[in-house]
Amino acid sequence: QQQVKQSPQSLIVQKGGISIINCAYENTAFDYFPWYQQFPGKGPALLIAIRPDVSEKKEGRFTISFNKSAKQFSLHIMDSQPGDSATYFCAATYTGFQKLVFGTGTRLLVSP
Amino acid sequence: GAGVSQTPSNKVTEKGKYVELRCDPISGHTALYWYRQSLGQGPEFLIYFQGTGAADDSGLPNDRFFAVRPEGSVSTLKIQRTERGDSAVYLCASRQGSTDTQYFGPGTRLTVL
Repeated sequence: QQQVKQSPQSLIVQKGGISIINCAYENTAFDYFPWYQQFPGKGPALLIAIRPDVSEKKEGRFTISFNKSAKQFSLHIMDSQPGDSATYFCAATYTGFQKLVFGTGTRLLVSP
Repeated sequence: GAGVSQTPSNKVTEKGKYVELRCDPISGHTALYWYRQSLGQGPEFLIYFQGTGAADDSGLPNDRFFAVRPEGSVSTLKIQRTERGDSAVYLCASRQGSTDTQYFGPGTRLTVL
């Protein structure tokens, strides 16, 4: 019940295209959903996060869409660039739980 | 300001040896976490400190793993009698007060031969 399922495992997108990564969760207590970006040899870095009181959050080229009834959320990267090539992790937690539960990651490759 | 730092960046040891991994959190961050990331997987929670005390150690896989944070800042993850299955990247993260964001360090890559 604490799992977060992430898909796809890998993704290849052409430069300028839209990258879409999906996550699903079971625990309805989760109330904070961050996305992390990780480059090889580096630690994960927070990209964008959302709480379930809104259905969408946008920061620059990055958008989170959140569907509370379906218990799903997704990351959209608009105008994808080669520099976006990295592994992306969704995660979830709730107030009082503290620890992040991560998805299995999506390796994104943006071709020039 | 400086981010979360971890030392060493790489550690190679032999099966059965003892290792210590160090984490320096962002100054002023009261919450500190350890996660373990195996190849091709997402980070998995090990232990969480609030101040000096371990508030949640439910992720520690067995009693060979132990962590301390004696002064509420630097933390050390200690692994006794290392096994090949302990090989992974050990990540540390810190968080300020009542905020949500966990800031991760670059990790320590542990290889047990």
